[in-house]
Amino acid sequence: DAKTTQPNSMESNEEEPVHLPCNHSTISGTDYIHWYRQLPSQGPEYVIHGLTSNVNNRMASLAIAEDRKSSTLILHRATLRDAAVYYCILMDSSYKLIFGSGTRLLVRP
Amino acid sequence: NAGVTQTPKFQVLKTGQSMTLQCAQDMNHNSMYWYRQDPGMGLRLIYYSASEGTTDKGEVPNGYNVSRLNKREFSLRLESAAPSQTSVYFCASSEPGAGRRKTQYFGPGTRLLVL
Repeated sequence: DAKTTQPNSMESNEEEPVHLPCNHSTISGTDYIHWYRQLPSQGPEYVIHGLTSNVNNRMASLAIAEDRKSSTLILHRATLRDAAVYYCILMDSSYKLIFGSGTRLLVRP
Repeated sequence: NAGVTQTPKFQVLKTGQSMTLQCAQDMNHNSMYWYRQDPGMGLRLIYYSASEGTTDKGEVPNGYNVSRLNKREFSLRLESAAPSQTSVYFCASSEPGAGRRKTQYFGPGTRLLVL
């Protein structure tokens, strides 16, 4: 399984943008990059996914490097509700999600 | 739609006792999954069911059994609980097709304490 590397924790101020990085240097050409987040005491929830092009949805944006060895999840205006653990996951042909330890995002009011 | 539901929400067992964790989804999804999450860790896959009638081992299957009762329901059984199985258990389901784009939908979790 291809591995991802994320910082253990990051902090942000409320209403400011947040850029959460993820390195995946061993990604294969057909692996999709998925992001999930887990709010306190809840199950994970899907955020966004992409293959090569940058992606936007109502929750976030995903910027993928041209060589696909890294990606960045962008929250355009962090709110207190965005405080969570964010997981960057590569999905390969097994169609399984392999969770690492993620990045814990703290949002200061 | 209720999405993915799990019962019970919380359970305390004594070592050696058995129990079944129940999971149901109402999204007509083919695939279902069981994960466990230990404190401060990411989720680890225990078992999954790609479709009704099939089950496969994940990363940490020892000490567990599963049953895909029908398309909606996927249960996880601990035959003889051990303190090492103290964890939060999450069930998930995913939409048919979509290949590597498929997303998973998670339930609220069952917190299990084995004394």
